[in-house]
Amino acid sequence: EVQLVESGEGLVQPGSSMKLSCVASGFTFSNYGMNWIRQAPKKGLEWIALIYYDSSSKYYADSVKGRFTISRDNSKNTLYLEMNSLRSEDTAMYYCARGGHFDYWGQGVMVTVSS
Amino acid sequence: DVVMTQTPVSLSVAIGQPASISCKSSQSLVGTSGKTYLNWLLQRPGQSPKRLIYLVSKLDSGIPDRFSGSGSETDFTLKISRVEADDLGVYYCLQGTHFPYTFGAGTKLELK
Repeated sequence: EVQLVESGEGLVQPGSSMKLSCVASGFTFSNYGMNWIRQAPKKGLEWIALIYYDSSSKYYADSVKGRFTISRDNSKNTLYLEMNSLRSEDTAMYYCARGGHFDYWGQGVMVTVSS
Repeated sequence: DVVMTQTPVSLSVAIGQPASISCKSSQSLVGTSGKTYLNWLLQRPGQSPKRLIYLVSKLDSGIPDRFSGSGSETDFTLKISRVEADDLGVYYCLQGTHFPYTFGAGTKLELK
């Protein structure tokens, strides 16, 4: 069974940093690209980053480019999202999702940026 | 960026009745491979999104055939032939052809 489990939830102050993780199981992680998507409270979905299966390419939404970094460790079946210079508008539920077809999603973790 | 215009914003449907959601993209979603990366997702209350349909019309495993997807280029439709209580939630279209990937704003399906 494919599972994606995010972790790293928390409350942080504006300007600070935070790192999210997504542990994958039930499939060959190193064969798939992976995405991060977020959803602000009571809002719609926003794609924010994609990393290729071998980390050879990374793509970002303009809203996070230069502040967020997507990475992965295929030996640990884990996807990461490092978030710097956090702003109140980054407050959202963050989901990881598999591949370019978004066929499996994690349960999400809440990130709250507030003073 | 590709803008995905999804209508209606909300839909009130009686059990057993059909429902239809439209998604229009600001540019063609046909990729260089010739494939059209248009997905439909359902987010039930309190849950993470779940994909229902990919490549415009292919149903995910376990998705009942009451659901169907159609369309091409810039104009796409999700249809539910007979709405059931389990279908309630917010439906999103998502294009995976052009970066940045973009979602429609969502359609909330409620029971009448």
